[in-house]
Amino acid sequence: GAGVSQSPRYKVAKRGQDVALRCDPISGHVSLFWYQQALGQGPEFLTYFQNEAQLDKSGLPSDRFFAERPEGSVSTLKIQRTQQEDSAVYLCASSLVPWSSGANVLTFGAGSRLTVL
Amino acid sequence: GDSVTQMEGPVTLSEEAFLTINCTYTATGYPSLFWYVQYPGEGLQLLLKATKADDKGSNKGFEATYRKETTSFHLEKGSVQVSDSAVYFCALSGYNKLIFGAGTRLAVHP
Repeated sequence: GAGVSQSPRYKVAKRGQDVALRCDPISGHVSLFWYQQALGQGPEFLTYFQNEAQLDKSGLPSDRFFAERPEGSVSTLKIQRTQQEDSAVYLCASSLVPWSSGANVLTFGAGSRLTVL
Repeated sequence: GDSVTQMEGPVTLSEEAFLTINCTYTATGYPSLFWYVQYPGEGLQLLLKATKADDKGSNKGFEATYRKETTSFHLEKGSVQVSDSAVYFCALSGYNKLIFGAGTRLAVHP
């Protein structure tokens, strides 16, 4: 597609529910990133994929967070047993080349806003 | 670890005023530096970047110069417009990620 598409744009979950957030990167983009942006804060890194390989998951805050990109295109971020502190905007970004290439320019989606009640 | 510090907002200016948003960084090695802008309801958009010391990035009237000696990358614009109202994020290229500052909200009034 022309840009990075994320769905749903808004999600309200009750505490303890599981949620799944979807990211469709730009077609052909090798690198895919997930970020978490709390209200009034900058984006915080969660995880990085190069094609289908999850090369870095050091930013995932707990084992309740899980991300996958099984075919190297669409990615899903899953949060199990949601807590109120998980309320944030979840941003997906993609890049044509591997991060290690040094080009380092990311295209971001509009985000999925998660509210946990 | 690597980090980015931005001046706190909000910054409130009148149209045609001069803009400076300060950004300093801490990093090992020689990162690339970026400014991203986030308009309401939209994703972050790359505004400009610089890849090495003394490089100047520029776009849409905005400029920033990579200053290694002061570890800074301040954003400037000579004459802001109402349409520039947004949140601005300074960022650096870290290991496997972009590292962002907390953002600075700019409000420009007619």
